[in-house]
Amino acid sequence: QKEVEQDPGPLSVPEGAIVSLNCTYSNSAFQYFMWYRQYSRKGPELLMYTYSSGNKEDGRFTAQVDKSSKYISLFIRDSQPSDSATYLCAMNKGTSYGKLTFGQGTILTVHP
Amino acid sequence: EPEVTQTPSHQVTQMGQEVILRCVPISNHLYFYWYRQILGQKVEFLVSFYNNEISEKSEIFDDQFSVERPDGSNFTLKIRSTKLEDSAMYFCASTTGANEKLFFGSGTQLSVL
Repeated sequence: QKEVEQDPGPLSVPEGAIVSLNCTYSNSAFQYFMWYRQYSRKGPELLMYTYSSGNKEDGRFTAQVDKSSKYISLFIRDSQPSDSATYLCAMNKGTSYGKLTFGQGTILTVHP
Repeated sequence: EPEVTQTPSHQVTQMGQEVILRCVPISNHLYFYWYRQILGQKVEFLVSFYNNEISEKSEIFDDQFSVERPDGSNFTLKIRSTKLEDSAMYFCASTTGANEKLFFGSGTQLSVL
């Protein structure tokens, strides 16, 4: 079983739709959970950063962590064409600083 | 906004040649990292560096790889004898401290021919 699994998509939605992106993981040692956005030929850009279980909201973005199910989600409300990118989940055990384990990434296209 | 800067953006080399990838982390950051992403695959951790020494390295980071912080601003990744399978996008990243947010550069696309 892979440590972090993420559906690579691609996912195509109309502008204004609510987008749901998900990752599952197998290692219960993961404590910190992140979502990164990556545009073509660019580095990952941090969107959301959460510790342990719960919800975190930032503008149109909401991150959810359910440690009991080993499942994390990112919701994008009122999606825009500029949200078109690859979204990467990443996680860290808290003992290896900055050593992130990434998911495969989900390619999202928001069409006008 | 401060950012991690990487040069060059694209480097082409012949198999067996040495390459040095350069990074300028954000100025007040103390922890530095290299990641790589082979086309179509996951972003993978290579090495972490703190207080002028390697903190942790992955299985990928074998004796052909080395890192250095030669001065107060640069952070480099050297591959001594490149292989075809070293072709990838290499990302530098930095952070202020333990478990703080990690900021990535735009990457260097390394092509080994």
